[in-house]
Amino acid sequence: EAGVAQSPRYKIIEKRQSVAFWCNPISGHATLYWYQQILGQGPKLLIQFQNNGVVDDSQLPKDRFSAERLKGVDSTLKIQPAKLEDSAVYLCASSSIGAGGYTFGSGTRLTVV
Amino acid sequence: AQSVTQPDIHITVSEGASLELRCNYSYGATPYLFWYVQSPGQGLQLLLKYFSGDTLVQGIKGFEAEFKRSQSSFNLRKPSVHWSDAAEYFCAVGIDNTDKLIFGTGTRLQVFP
Repeated sequence: EAGVAQSPRYKIIEKRQSVAFWCNPISGHATLYWYQQILGQGPKLLIQFQNNGVVDDSQLPKDRFSAERLKGVDSTLKIQPAKLEDSAVYLCASSSIGAGGYTFGSGTRLTVV
Repeated sequence: AQSVTQPDIHITVSEGASLELRCNYSYGATPYLFWYVQSPGQGLQLLLKYFSGDTLVQGIKGFEAEFKRSQSSFNLRKPSVHWSDAAEYFCAVGIDNTDKLIFGTGTRLQVFP
């Protein structure tokens, strides 16, 4: 089966600019996650979708981050405006309900300068 | 609150030597536990998982892990390390019977020939 696709792989922007990341999960996976992985740390959950509804966005900085999953398939994560501390790898993952364990994409490495 | 501790930031072993990576968790009930591996520039790949039953869990690539409730530990082991095992390893705990994971800060494994 095809894996979780993410784009772009790398992005460099200046602070206060906006940026968007895209994720296409494994076909049929109802649950989709966005994680932020800062250098030297483990991944931290930003938002969890089940189908096209948000299950948990308690760790999402809503003043600057937004995410959507239209039609319960693809998802986009947006940052506007970006700050230096947003420099990280943004990982998308998907799973079928109750599967235990996710499949991760390769991530998008964001550098804010 | 649930948490995961990986005490070793960096471990170096010789190829062919045995390996043990430590993981301690904090969780009130029986945890769902996972080990993931991340190669440079890649997403996270699931090595193994523990939900219940036999406390010794076999995974991919010759890895195994043992759940010890009395020690709140889930250490990862491999009897003979290969150079291709050099990567970052993350332990994670599942939250409240949901699919959400909390990750440790990771252990970077370096393998010398």
